[in-house]
Amino acid sequence: DQQVKQNSPSLSVQEGRISILNCDYTNSMFDYFLWYKKYPAEGPTFLISISSIKDKNEDGRFTVFLNKSAKHLSLHIVPSQPGDSAVYFCAASASRYGGSQGNLIFGKGTKLSVKP
Amino acid sequence: DGGITQSPKYLFRKEGQNVTLSCEQNLNHDAMYWYRQDPGQGLRLIYYSQIVNDFQKGDIAEGYSVSREKKESFPLTVTSAQKNPTAFYLCASSTWDRPQGGYTFGSGTRLTVV
Repeated sequence: DQQVKQNSPSLSVQEGRISILNCDYTNSMFDYFLWYKKYPAEGPTFLISISSIKDKNEDGRFTVFLNKSAKHLSLHIVPSQPGDSAVYFCAASASRYGGSQGNLIFGKGTKLSVKP
Repeated sequence: DGGITQSPKYLFRKEGQNVTLSCEQNLNHDAMYWYRQDPGQGLRLIYYSQIVNDFQKGDIAEGYSVSREKKESFPLTVTSAQKNPTAFYLCASSTWDRPQGGYTFGSGTRLTVV
């Protein structure tokens, strides 16, 4: 059973507008969440993270929101740029430290297309 | 420059053959991981190692084997027992404490069975 779900396989947005990517999780033990960005034939690169003690974390154009009661997080990209076109993976773990609890569980990804 | 290197980038295997994918890191990371990516399936954990000479099965370990004889290296062998080995394989590494970004990923190896 999927513990991290990204229900939208794809999203298309106009350049300059906001992109909102969503992620739901089922495991209440998860307390550390990350977003990765992946281009074709490359490895994912870290984008932004948030721990469960926060409900928002911001880094430039990227903001992650966490709603623990709903077991939901979202990534906002404002303004969206054509270079943001990639697959975005949501990941979660029950610990930010090592050990099996710290292993990242990934969603299936959302392909974002930003059109000029 | 520190990083994680996977080789080869593309690999073709005949059915019934074992192949080994290389993963080397010079980040001084303790932990290393192998993931498999299939279209529409996201990243699924094959094996991971938190320390030299120790490794654990992930969610889809059947048909795969690994070794961790050196901190820098975590090769993955895809054996003939793996029924559907065609996929994109990603290696990653991390420190024990991940204050910022979780894992550092390699650029991947695409394995195709011919």
